[in-house]
Amino acid sequence: AQSVTQLGSHVSVSEGALVLLRCNYSSSVPPYLFWYVQYPNQGLQLLLKYTSAATLVKGINGFEAEFKKSETSFHLTKPSAHMSDAAEYFCALKSSGDKLTFGTGTRLAVRP
Amino acid sequence: GAGVSQSPRYKVAKRGQDVALRCDPISGHVSLFWYQQALGQGPEFLTYFQNEAQLDKSGLPSDRFFAERPEGSVSTLKIQRTQQEDSAVYLCASSLAVVGGSGTDTQYFGPGTRLTVL
Repeated sequence: AQSVTQLGSHVSVSEGALVLLRCNYSSSVPPYLFWYVQYPNQGLQLLLKYTSAATLVKGINGFEAEFKKSETSFHLTKPSAHMSDAAEYFCALKSSGDKLTFGTGTRLAVRP
Repeated sequence: GAGVSQSPRYKVAKRGQDVALRCDPISGHVSLFWYQQALGQGPEFLTYFQNEAQLDKSGLPSDRFFAERPEGSVSTLKIQRTQQEDSAVYLCASSLAVVGGSGTDTQYFGPGTRLTVL
């Protein structure tokens, strides 16, 4: 079975600090991986996706993620947090039939 | 162009009532997905369509849940005899490509319908 694990349901960082949100996956086939962000009362917005073209993926708003097969990880990072980054972040794996399997999410708080 | 829209945005139902949730996908998008997001959880797959064909409904939690997309565009998720455990946000997503294609196609999500069953 395919699954996604996000370590840390809540992460708090200071404005300007590094953001690191962790995602590990389990998949029997080469995975397609995604990071989505969800602001309050809004739908999910795609930040970036891994499609096997390059292991380091750059996304919107200064975020990037690195696919590490040996560690079955796809952690999301941003060098310097901004207040507007406060939101919930979901890692997702595309499984059979193109449906997405999501992690339980990480809520990011940014302290001034 | 316009994104995925869903209506209503909020729905309160008494236990036992039937509800219908609407999704308008991005024009021209072939694939349409429904997900259920319980409070504090990630979205969970319910069902998906390729045009008007429902290719997978394995995530529907019970036979009280029914989805349709009769003309390959707008989709409706219907829940009969609602129960308190049905309270959740229902998300709709659409993507341009055929299911089972390259696999890299992006799903675009609507804002969701928050269903509260009293």
